[in-house]
Amino acid sequence: AQSVTQPDIHITVSEGASLELRCNYSYGATPYLFWYVQSPGQGLQLLLKYFSGDTLVQGIKGFEAEFKRSQSSFNLRKPSVHWSDAAEYFCAVGAVGGYNKLIFGAGTRLAVHP
Amino acid sequence: NAGVTQTPKFRILKIGQSMTLQCTQDMNHNYMYWYRQDPGMGLKLIYYSVGAGITDKGEVPNGYNVSRSTTEDFPLRLELAAPSQTSVYFCASRAAQGNYGYTFGSGTRLTVV
Repeated sequence: AQSVTQPDIHITVSEGASLELRCNYSYGATPYLFWYVQSPGQGLQLLLKYFSGDTLVQGIKGFEAEFKRSQSSFNLRKPSVHWSDAAEYFCAVGAVGGYNKLIFGAGTRLAVHP
Repeated sequence: NAGVTQTPKFRILKIGQSMTLQCTQDMNHNYMYWYRQDPGMGLKLIYYSVGAGITDKGEVPNGYNVSRSTTEDFPLRLELAAPSQTSVYFCASRAAQGNYGYTFGSGTRLTVV
């Protein structure tokens, strides 16, 4: 069955510290992979996406993610977290082609301490 | 450019009442989706549409109906509201070709009491 697992429900980091949010997926076809961010009371904003090619992808707001096929992972990273990064982060997977119905993970809520 | 617009932003329904959540996009996107978001559960797909006149069920369609009479609009109908439908509902759209990135609306928070 297709699924996305985000093992960490809550993460707290200090401002300026590095960040890594984990995402593992199970998908039979070649996946498209996405990270979205949701600020309180807001919709979801696309941070970055992976379709093919270079396995390290750059996104907005200084985020990057690395696709590792052997580990079925697509972890999100940021070298130095800002207080404004506090939000909920969702990993999602979709199929190449077809109707691209995204399957979302349960989300990781990030808190940033000053 | 408005993107994806959802109305209303908040609504309280009594059990058994009905309502329609509106979703409109102005990007000429063929594909539109309705998700519900519950705490700790991520987003679950309710219904989707690949174009005017074409809709299909997602993971959790029970208790909901949709229609797609135009490219722009994709309303979600709740016929007999139940407490289990208390959730935040998101509409999203994307182009049929290209980068497959979804554009999300800002959501409708629905409470059924």
